[in-house]
Amino acid sequence: QQQVKQSPQSLIVQKGGISIINCAYENTAFDYFPWYQQFPGKGPALLIAIRPDVSEKKEGRFTISFNKSAKQFSLHIMDSQPGDSATYFCAASGGGFKTIFGAGTRLFVKA
Amino acid sequence: SAVISQKPSRDICQRGTSLTIQCQVDSQVTMMFWYRQQPGQSLTLIATANQGSEATYESGFVIDKFPISRPNLTFSTLTVSNMSPEDSSIYLCSVARGSGGAFFGQGTRLTVV
Repeated sequence: QQQVKQSPQSLIVQKGGISIINCAYENTAFDYFPWYQQFPGKGPALLIAIRPDVSEKKEGRFTISFNKSAKQFSLHIMDSQPGDSATYFCAASGGGFKTIFGAGTRLFVKA
Repeated sequence: SAVISQKPSRDICQRGTSLTIQCQVDSQVTMMFWYRQQPGQSLTLIATANQGSEATYESGFVIDKFPISRPNLTFSTLTVSNMSPEDSSIYLCSVARGSGGAFFGQGTRLTVV
């Protein structure tokens, strides 16, 4: 009930390509779904987030797609750049529950 | 946005000793959260610290091992007690964002030898 499952564990994308990371959740009480970006030696930083009343949110090159019926959401990074190489965590929170993090995806963008 | 400062940024400690990690926030917050991130792993919530009350610990974490103080609305400490090599992790302080999600400090990288 409390898990957030994230895939893939690692991802290699060519510069200019699209990076796609997927997450699935169980608890329908979650009402906030953020994505965090973490560089080595740094704390996670909020990248983009969505609430379940919308199916898509776009901020610059980053887009979240949200499928409420399937209880799945994904992060798309368009025109991926080497500077996007980092670990990405999906998360879910709400309904009085703590923030639950996915396992993380290590993204490497090849120049 | 909140600015969170953690001290120390990293430390190497002998097993059996204790380390206290400090977290300072630049604004008053009701709840502060302490996370552990083991090498190459995700973030696991240790406990939630409310000012004026005892911290609430998650399953698998106990107060004797991870005592927490929250003396005011901008400061908290986490102590890792009687350390063993398995405690080698990054410890992160976090506060909630008003609009959702969380701000994180830079973390404290702890190595126990």
